[in-house]
Amino acid sequence: AQRVTQPEKLLSVFKGAPVELKCNYSYSGSPELFWYVQYSRQRLQLLLRHISRESIKGFTADLNKGETSFHLKKPFAQEEDSAMYYCALLSDSGYALNFGKGTSLLVTP
Amino acid sequence: SQTIHQWPATLVQPVGSPLSLECTVEGTSNPNLYWYRQAAGRGLQLLFYSVGIGQISSEVPQNLSASRPQDRQFILSSKKLLLSDSGFYLCAWSRGGSFSYEQYFGPGTRLTVT
Repeated sequence: AQRVTQPEKLLSVFKGAPVELKCNYSYSGSPELFWYVQYSRQRLQLLLRHISRESIKGFTADLNKGETSFHLKKPFAQEEDSAMYYCALLSDSGYALNFGKGTSLLVTP
Repeated sequence: SQTIHQWPATLVQPVGSPLSLECTVEGTSNPNLYWYRQAAGRGLQLLFYSVGIGQISSEVPQNLSASRPQDRQFILSSKKLLLSDSGFYLCAWSRGGSFSYEQYFGPGTRLTVT
């Protein structure tokens, strides 16, 4: 069964500190993984996808097939990074996304 | 540019009453359309998706149904609401065709069943 697990409901870090939001997945095939973000009073939006190997707003995420993880990292957190972050796995159908329960990141000054 | 609309923004309905939530997309053709629900403490759960008019796939058996009467219109319905139907409902679209990676979300509808 396909499943996405985000073990932390809330993560609080100080401004300038490194941040890592954890995501583990369960999938028998070759996974397509994404991070979505929802800032306060804004719509849920795509942050990054693993296939593009890009860095968006200083965030990166590396797919580790051995550990079945796709953790989101940023070396120096900023207050504007405070948001709800969701990890998502593309389903077998190729259309639907399976989302984790989300992690609320709070960056304090 | 493409936009996605959902209405109403909030809704309070008694148990046993019917439900109709509407979602429309502008600025694109033949999009894939999705309905998600976010219940308290449960994260985002995919309810339905559609790859074309009249084509509906259900991910989770439930008290709800979906329809796509037009290319850019997606409707979520129920004949009789349950308390457990309360939640935040999100509509989303992605570009048509398979392996459409980015989904664009609407503003959502907060449904409270009393």
